[in-house]
Amino acid sequence: GAVVSQHPSRVICKSGTSVKIECRSLDFQATTMFWYRQFPKQSLMLMATSNEGSKATYEQGVEKDKFLINHASLTLSTLTVTSAHPEDSSFYICSATFGQGRTEAFFGQGTRLTVV
Amino acid sequence: AQSVTQLGSHVSVSEGALVLLRCNYSSSVPPYLFWYVQYPNQGLQLLLKYTTGATLVKGINGFEAEFKKSETSFHLTKPSAHMSDAAEYFCAVQRSYNTDKLIFGTGTRLQVFP
Repeated sequence: GAVVSQHPSRVICKSGTSVKIECRSLDFQATTMFWYRQFPKQSLMLMATSNEGSKATYEQGVEKDKFLINHASLTLSTLTVTSAHPEDSSFYICSATFGQGRTEAFFGQGTRLTVV
Repeated sequence: AQSVTQLGSHVSVSEGALVLLRCNYSSSVPPYLFWYVQYPNQGLQLLLKYTTGATLVKGINGFEAEFKKSETSFHLTKPSAHMSDAAEYFCAVQRSYNTDKLIFGTGTRLQVFP
């Protein structure tokens, strides 16, 4: 199946700094990428949907200025957590879909962000 | 709007016993339904999906699920649990084909005892 690679798998940063998380589709062109956030022992909450070359669509309650999403190419989307705070600590997961007639979303391995 | 309800946040079974994880959905249009498995600190892996056609779908690792429209359910089963099945399981619904977003249930943690 298609492979989505997320990097880094773990990151620790200081409060006030910014952190970038990359999501790459390794063997297909991802027309759409999704970013999710998962709190401990909870479900995945969709943060935003991004299409290559256009602005991301954010879910209600997600601060677009805090969680910057860039989908500059068909194989790469990035999520930047700006001015991170301890409450931003979470597990972030991306997924990607491609083409017409595909229903499956392929997920990255996730990134564990800890803000200290 | 779509929603998913997973009954039981924790399910415990003995190795070799039947696994039943419940999922009920709400959708205003014919849904596409998915079951995903998540191991600790990892992303999600697709177990199986229902789009159209046969209502009993078989997935990986011996899992299967049946789409029951009258009951708005998509329960996941496995005849005989294995220790390696211990993980978090998520049911998800998708409104339409292609690139629409997935709505996830709250997840069910499966424990398997020897």
